Amino acid sequence: GAGVSQSPSNKVTEKGKDVELRCDPISGHTALYWYRQSLGQGLEFLIYFQGNSAPDKSGLPSDRFSAERTGGSVSTLTIQRTQQEDSAVYLCASRLIAEITYEQYFGPGTRLTVT
Amino acid sequence: GEDVEQSLFLSVREGDSSVINCTYTDSSSTYLYWYKQEPGAGLQLLTYIFSNMDMKQDQRLTVLLNKKDKHLSLRIADTQTGDSAIYFCAEGTDTGRRALTFGSGTRLQVQP
Repeated sequence: GAGVSQSPSNKVTEKGKDVELRCDPISGHTALYWYRQSLGQGLEFLIYFQGNSAPDKSGLPSDRFSAERTGGSVSTLTIQRTQQEDSAVYLCASRLIAEITYEQYFGPGTRLTVT
Repeated sequence: GEDVEQSLFLSVREGDSSVINCTYTDSSSTYLYWYKQEPGAGLQLLTYIFSNMDMKQDQRLTVLLNKKDKHLSLRIADTQTGDSAIYFCAEGTDTGRRALTFGSGTRLQVQP
């Protein structure tokens, strides 16, 4: 079946502009995560959605970052007034809650470059 | 806080075995994972091990877990050029959001 998809695959933006990154999780996966992967670093947790519960935003690095998930499916990560340090690959993952291994299925990521 | 550490780079010859090591600090870790990331692709789960296990074997992959030392290793037998990628160790706990904590990844280079 279809995996997690993300768009755009690449985004170049000027410092100070806003960007929106999109994630389409696997159908039926109620848990959705956003991670950030900076050059040479591991993945940094940003935000977690589970069903209709309030999202866990504890990983968002500043109030310029926000995310929403409409209808329990598609999610959008928004970065306002982008800064050069926001340049990274943004990865989305989804998970089937009932799966005992807690495996997260990752999308290919959006590479964001802030010039 | 939680921390997962890996060496950054490993180079092996095709046909040799590769061993990638990882250490973690969270003693409440319930699951430990190895993910593979190929250029331009997302992370792919290779294998996982529950914290109450010592070893898991899956075809060419062997995972060893030393819970006392909080040390995890991934052994790839008969390494192939297609195994060249970045390998991430990750740990998760059985509570809360179950977001994973990742190491910074080990780049495996397989020389033909």
